[in-house]
Amino acid sequence: AQTVTQSQPEMSVQEAETVTLSCTYDTSESDYYLFWYKQPPSRQMILVIRQEAYKQQNATENRFSVNFQKAAKSFSLKISDSQLGDAAMYFCAYRSMYSGGGADGLTFGKGTHLIIQP
Amino acid sequence: DAGVTQSPTHLIKTRGQQVTLRCSPKSGHDTVSWYQQALGQGPQFIFQYYEEEERQRGNFPDRFSGHQFPNYSSELNVNALLLGDSALYLCASSPGLAGSYEQYFGPGTRLTVT
Repeated sequence: AQTVTQSQPEMSVQEAETVTLSCTYDTSESDYYLFWYKQPPSRQMILVIRQEAYKQQNATENRFSVNFQKAAKSFSLKISDSQLGDAAMYFCAYRSMYSGGGADGLTFGKGTHLIIQP
Repeated sequence: DAGVTQSPTHLIKTRGQQVTLRCSPKSGHDTVSWYQQALGQGPQFIFQYYEEEERQRGNFPDRFSGHQFPNYSSELNVNALLLGDSALYLCASSPGLAGSYEQYFGPGTRLTVT
């Protein structure tokens, strides 16, 4: 079974600065997907960014980028120019590729609470 | 275009009772997954429905059961409720079973068992 570990229960950053959230995972599979989800107090889980394991290039979405190290099984999220609206719980998640019977559900870490200081 | 909707928003039940939660997927989506999120934890996968059948299941007892209807909406049923079943229950939909498809989440149902 896959596991996802987020070692930072809480992180704080000044508005407009850069912050990096850490995530490590354990798997014996070679093909899979990794995700970062954001969950604001409204509870709705929102996809921030995704990475396919077979792609060497790190994914980027505007102010959000990842550092994917497949051999180290590390998948960190960098948020540049932090904004007050970025305050939320951030979850790292893993998902297998389609395996015939259907891909498994997402496996989530415990989350990192991101605080933005004005 | 409505996203994923869930009902009810909040629910309070007594230990031993049964509960049914409902989910309507995003338009064009035919696959529904259910997750349980205990307070302070990440969501845990319960099961996934496609073509009205349970396709994948996480590590949950068979007190947790579900159903998918021909219009792709889904229900999650929990029997013999325990205090530990208190959690936020999230529904997610996607346009298919493949792992590459993004899962769109609903706002969740907050279940409190007393």
